[in-house]
Amino acid sequence: AQSVTQLGSHVSVSEGALVLLRCNYSSSVPPYLFWYVQYPNQGLQLLLKYTTGATLVKGINGFEAEFKKSETSFHLTKPSAHMSDAAEYFCAVSKNTGTASKLTFGTGTRLQVTL
Amino acid sequence: KAGVTQTPRYLIKTRGQQVTLSCSPISGHRSVSWYQQTPGQGLQFLFEYFSETQRNKGNFPGRFSGRQFSNSRSEMNVSTLELGDSALYLCASSLPSSGNEQFFGPGTRLTVL
Repeated sequence: AQSVTQLGSHVSVSEGALVLLRCNYSSSVPPYLFWYVQYPNQGLQLLLKYTTGATLVKGINGFEAEFKKSETSFHLTKPSAHMSDAAEYFCAVSKNTGTASKLTFGTGTRLQVTL
Repeated sequence: KAGVTQTPRYLIKTRGQQVTLSCSPISGHRSVSWYQQTPGQGLQFLFEYFSETQRNKGNFPGRFSGRQFSNSRSEMNVSTLELGDSALYLCASSLPSSGNEQFFGPGTRLTVL
C-alpha cells in the first residue's frame, strides 16, 4: 500500500520568503511522485513530477522538489514566495508499474502568503 | 487543446435520490479517473477507466459506479444518496501509462440535503 504524509496543514510565509512544504511517502515499489496545486473553486494543477532520472525536479511557477529515497521525502520549495502562490498544495504518489494511474494524495497544505 | 470538462458544475440533491456526473477528457486521453474531495477525508480515489473498462477501483460502496464510452467520455453515478456524499467530485484524464500527468477538471460540487 502507498501513503503520503504532509507535515503542516497550514503554512504561512511572508512575500519574498522561502517556501518549504514537506511531503514524506511510503511505497512498497519505486514510486512516481507529484505535487499539485488547487486554487479556490478549481481543480488540481500539476506543479511538477518525479518519475525517473534526475532527483531534483523543476516545475512551473518557480517551484522545485527533490526526491530523496533514503529519507522517503519529496519536499516542495520555492526561493521567493509571491502573493499568487497562496493556495492548497497536495503531494501525491502512484505506483511505478506501467499501467496503474491511481493517485494517493496527502491531506494537503494550505499556503498563506502575507505582506 | 480543450481541457477536461465536467458537467454539471453544481448539483443539489436530497437523500435517497441518485445522481449522474459527466466528464469529457482531453482529446486523445483514454484514461479517466474519478476522485472525491471532502474536508474530512481529503482526496480519495474512486475508480479509473481505460478503453471502456474499469481498471482500478477505490474503497467506496457499490452505490458508486461509473462507466466509460467509446469516445472516452465517462460518467459516474451515485445511487441512494447520503448526506456524507456531499463533496467535490473531480475527474482527471491522462495517457494510459503510470507516471503520466493527470489533468483535472474543475469538478462537480454535489450537495446532498
